[in-house]
Amino acid sequence: DAGITQSPRHKVTETGTPVTLRCHQTENHRYMYWYRQDPGHGLRLIHYSYGVKDTDKGEVSDGYSVSRSKTEDFLLTLESATSSQTSVYFCAISGQGSGAFFGQGTRLTVV
Amino acid sequence: DQQVKQNSPSLSVQEGRISILNCDYTNSMFDYFLWYKKYPAEGPTFLISISSIKDKNEDGRFTVFLNKSAKHLSLHIVPSQPGDSAVYFCAAFSGAGSYQLTFGKGTKLSVIP
Repeated sequence: DAGITQSPRHKVTETGTPVTLRCHQTENHRYMYWYRQDPGHGLRLIHYSYGVKDTDKGEVSDGYSVSRSKTEDFLLTLESATSSQTSVYFCAISGQGSGAFFGQGTRLTVV
Repeated sequence: DQQVKQNSPSLSVQEGRISILNCDYTNSMFDYFLWYKKYPAEGPTFLISISSIKDKNEDGRFTVFLNKSAKHLSLHIVPSQPGDSAVYFCAAFSGAGSYQLTFGKGTKLSVIP
């Protein structure tokens, strides 16, 4: 298994609160990604990173921010959680041209 | 606008028969295609891939076919086994970009014993 760990694995939070999800890798891969999975939508890219402090937006970035201060860590922050952000969040890592390896996911519920 | 489309949300196949999962794409810049398998409560796992310079790639029971002119690829599983029951995602990326994957919505395969 690729060395990729997501924390927490489950979280329930209230509307309007900030939430941070963490992705940690031990593979020293340059690229890291955050996806969300929702019924009827498959996996959609939120943000990605192509190096330390280098990030860019994906398809569904509104309401989310990311940070990457170290190669191994990629943080996803929901600045003010909304019910529409209830989802399963997956972090992925990729070596150049090798496809992506995914973490186990974080199930987030916003109530 | 969906760039990767899996038009069949679900597929049921008898054990031992062939499963064929289909995927269409619209972005001509894609040059690498992958299939992922996902069980409930787990992350997607890489299954098989194909480069745009090939038209077929085989790995055991799994074969992926690519028809560039039709912008279509398919995953064949022969013979199908009950453990193959999962959601299968087709994905693509451009090597000229940031290797970000664009996914289809997935096809749920059920292999009936």
